Amino acid sequence: DAGVTQSPTHLIKTRGQQVTLRCSPKSGHDTVSWYQQALGQGPQFIFQYYEEEERQRGNFPDRFSGHQFPNYSSELNVNALLLGDSALYLCASSFGLSGNTIYFGEGSWLTVV
Amino acid sequence: DQQVKQNSPSLSVQEGRISILNCDYTNSMFDYFLWYKKYPAEGPTFLISISSIKDKNEDGRFTVFLNKSAKHLSLHIVPSQPGDSAVYFCAASGRAGGTSYGKLTFGQGTILTVHP
Repeated sequence: DAGVTQSPTHLIKTRGQQVTLRCSPKSGHDTVSWYQQALGQGPQFIFQYYEEEERQRGNFPDRFSGHQFPNYSSELNVNALLLGDSALYLCASSFGLSGNTIYFGEGSWLTVV
Repeated sequence: DQQVKQNSPSLSVQEGRISILNCDYTNSMFDYFLWYKKYPAEGPTFLISISSIKDKNEDGRFTVFLNKSAKHLSLHIVPSQPGDSAVYFCAASGRAGGTSYGKLTFGQGTILTVHP
């Protein structure tokens, strides 16, 4: 049973650049959410995708955008990177909008220099 | 506005003893609570959850207790093992305003160290 998979695992970008992170949900799941975890903090909700639409959004600027594909996989895009965007980006999946048991991937470590 | 709080940054326990991790929340619309365990450089691993219609849920060595009136939950690990050493996060969700589950609000985490 494939769990949530994310790529890349680590990447380094320069301020002002753009980054795309990718996620495949756990087998059987169709809902994907993205979280940002800064050092020493709990994960912060960015947004949730279901049926290829953004359903909920956390308190993040428009520089953060996403997409969900027909196969339920998802991308997180961050434009105009800031040093403060350096964090672990976690993808989570669940089944349907009522699915309340949520599984996380290993995360993508982003360092902005 | 920290809606989910884990007030103990760290906890140290002897192997074989009980570990009790605590979590408080302020938003009365939360009705589902989860505990996750996280090792460095890994994603959070789901441990156990509880719905607000219950006050206790058990899964092996892990038990979660929910006190709705106090807006407090706790995770008990009995007996504690060195492999339990990790960061433990409490998370909450709810169908506030018709929105779906899936937006988890996390606490800051508690570092558990179990000594052999």
